[in-house]
Amino acid sequence: EVHLVESGGGLVQPGGSLRLSCAASGFTFGTFWMSWVRQAPGMGLEWVASIKPDGGEKLYVDAVKGRLTISRDNARNSLYLQMNSLRADDTAVYYCARLLCSASTCSTIYAYWGQGTLVTVSS
Amino acid sequence: DIQLTQSPSFLSASVGDRVTITCRASQGVRSYLVWYQQKPGKAPNLLMYSASTLQNGVPSRFSGSGSGTEFTLTISSLQPEDFATYYCQQAKSYPITFGQGTRLEIK
Repeated sequence: EVHLVESGGGLVQPGGSLRLSCAASGFTFGTFWMSWVRQAPGMGLEWVASIKPDGGEKLYVDAVKGRLTISRDNARNSLYLQMNSLRADDTAVYYCARLLCSASTCSTIYAYWGQGTLVTVSS
Repeated sequence: DIQLTQSPSFLSASVGDRVTITCRASQGVRSYLVWYQQKPGKAPNLLMYSASTLQNGVPSRFSGSGSGTEFTLTISSLQPEDFATYYCQQAKSYPITFGQGTRLEIK
């Protein structure tokens, strides 16, 4: 059974940093694109970043480019999101998500989600 | 970026009703359209992909249609567990984008 468990959220001051982690199990982690998707309180879903299985390609929404960095450690079955220069509008629940399938032709369909970790940016 | 607009944003209905939610894309996404259901405090749950393919385990009262720029999600006979927020998402190109959501509440 696929499990994704996020951790690392918390309260941080504007301009601060935080590192989120996602521990994956129940599948061959190193063969799947992985993503972070966030949801501000009471708001909709926003795709944040995605990373190729080998870590060689990373994609970001414009709002986080240069501040948030996605990475992975396939040996540890873990996904990360390094968050720097945090702003109030980064406040959200951050979800780790896995695609439906691992083939190179697989579309960005999120079939598995973690429970989310809350990041609050406030002074 | 591809913008997705859902309508309505809010829907009040009764158990047993048939309801339809529309998702319109600002440019064509062929059939690369995904639907999720989200309940309060929970992660989204995949309902449908490729516009009309039901995810394993999703009840057959859910159906999807459309291609290009206009898509619909239909629930044929609402059940109590269907009251939730529904999101569409385009999977055609990055940045991946979601609709703003449709909140379905009990009348």
